[in-house]
Amino acid sequence: GNSVTQMEGPVTLSEEAFLTINCTYTATGYPSLFWYVQYPGEGLQLLLKATKADDKGSNKGFEATYRKETTSFHLEKGSVQVSDSAVYFCALRATGFQKLVFGTGTRLLVSP
Amino acid sequence: ETGVTQTPRHLVMGMTNKKSLKCEQHLGHNAMYWYKQSAKKPLELMFVYNFKEQTENNSVPSRFSPECPNSSHLFLHLHTLQPEDSALYLCASSHGGGIVDNQPQHFGDGTRLSIL
Repeated sequence: GNSVTQMEGPVTLSEEAFLTINCTYTATGYPSLFWYVQYPGEGLQLLLKATKADDKGSNKGFEATYRKETTSFHLEKGSVQVSDSAVYFCALRATGFQKLVFGTGTRLLVSP
Repeated sequence: ETGVTQTPRHLVMGMTNKKSLKCEQHLGHNAMYWYKQSAKKPLELMFVYNFKEQTENNSVPSRFSPECPNSSHLFLHLHTLQPEDSALYLCASSHGGGIVDNQPQHFGDGTRLSIL
């Protein structure tokens, strides 16, 4: 079946550090891939997406590249800020399916 | 402002109460979803509606009863809930499946439900 695996958190970083949150997936065909972010007390917000192999999604300094050969969609940011502290969810939508399949989420804590 | 509004933001109820959660979207979408988010668990999809018709029910207990009177509104009626139903309930909307596969879902801020 379709599934998403994320690294377990929390990920704890100092401000201006480099961030990587790993995400790998299992799916048939060519799924669309998403990163969502959830700030405390809020719902999920779409952060970025990629719809085909080698696409790079980017937003607010975050990037992720759709790697078909490694079935991965790792989230990166060159310099994190305290305001980036949140839970990050990787998700996929398999071809021909409407529902999103989410990973378990990775909590990021950034200290000043 | 995500375009998806959920009310109330917080709800405390006893196990014998009846209450309803409301979701409204102003994005012109035709698909709406209910999710349950519990601590240390993946997001659980509960129900999917397309063009007001329920197209998916992921084995949700009957004490949760959804209603979708039109494409902009979605309700979740609650009756005789259990303590393990305490969670954050998230509503989402999108363009319907089969139209454009890469369209994301837009989420509301959720209703934090506590069952006493």
